[in-house]
Amino acid sequence: DAGVTQSPTHLIKTRGQQVTLRCSPISGHKSVSWYQQVLGQGPQFIFQYYEKEERGRGNFPDRFSARQFPNYSSELNVNALLLGDSALYLCASSLGPIANTGELFFGEGSRLTVL
Amino acid sequence: GENVEQHPSTLSVQEGDSAVIKCTYSDSASNYFPWYKQELGKGPQLIIDIRSNVGEKKDQRIAVTLNKTAKHFSLHITETQPEDSAVYFCAAPDNYGQNFVFGPGTRLSVLP
Repeated sequence: DAGVTQSPTHLIKTRGQQVTLRCSPISGHKSVSWYQQVLGQGPQFIFQYYEKEERGRGNFPDRFSARQFPNYSSELNVNALLLGDSALYLCASSLGPIANTGELFFGEGSRLTVL
Repeated sequence: GENVEQHPSTLSVQEGDSAVIKCTYSDSASNYFPWYKQELGKGPQLIIDIRSNVGEKKDQRIAVTLNKTAKHFSLHITETQPEDSAVYFCAAPDNYGQNFVFGPGTRLSVLP
């Protein structure tokens, strides 16, 4: 069975540009979450979507946005890129929206470098 | 909000020895605690988890213990092998239960 798939795996952008990252959850999973992982730190929550609705938002600026499609795949958009946005962006899927109820499965991530 | 601390930040053990990583959390309402292993260049992989209605869970060489009163849980790896070398993260649900707050990670090195 396919796990969580993310694209692209690596990308390089310059300051001020915009980027779109894509994620396909595990088949049957209806919730997608996005996390940012800066080198040497734990993942930090950005967004959660369940059944195409935003269910949670972390402490990130409005330059970050996301959406979930009818097939439960998701996109994360970041506008006006800053050097500090350089990180590994992780997508995770789960059956339901509530963290207390169960497992979160991560993809391999999209490594964004901003020059 | 939920705060998760993790110790130690780095841990080196000899192959065959045991390793223990400890996490503390702040929200007493949290009731699900996963541990993730992240190898270089990969996403975190769930290796074991525990719910608050049990105090210990084992899966072969890996175990997790939970002390709800003290609000801490620990990962125990016995008979460590070189392939256990990775960064390990603990996590706990945030106050709304909609996402996870991760610890800062422990880099485990198993020396042959």
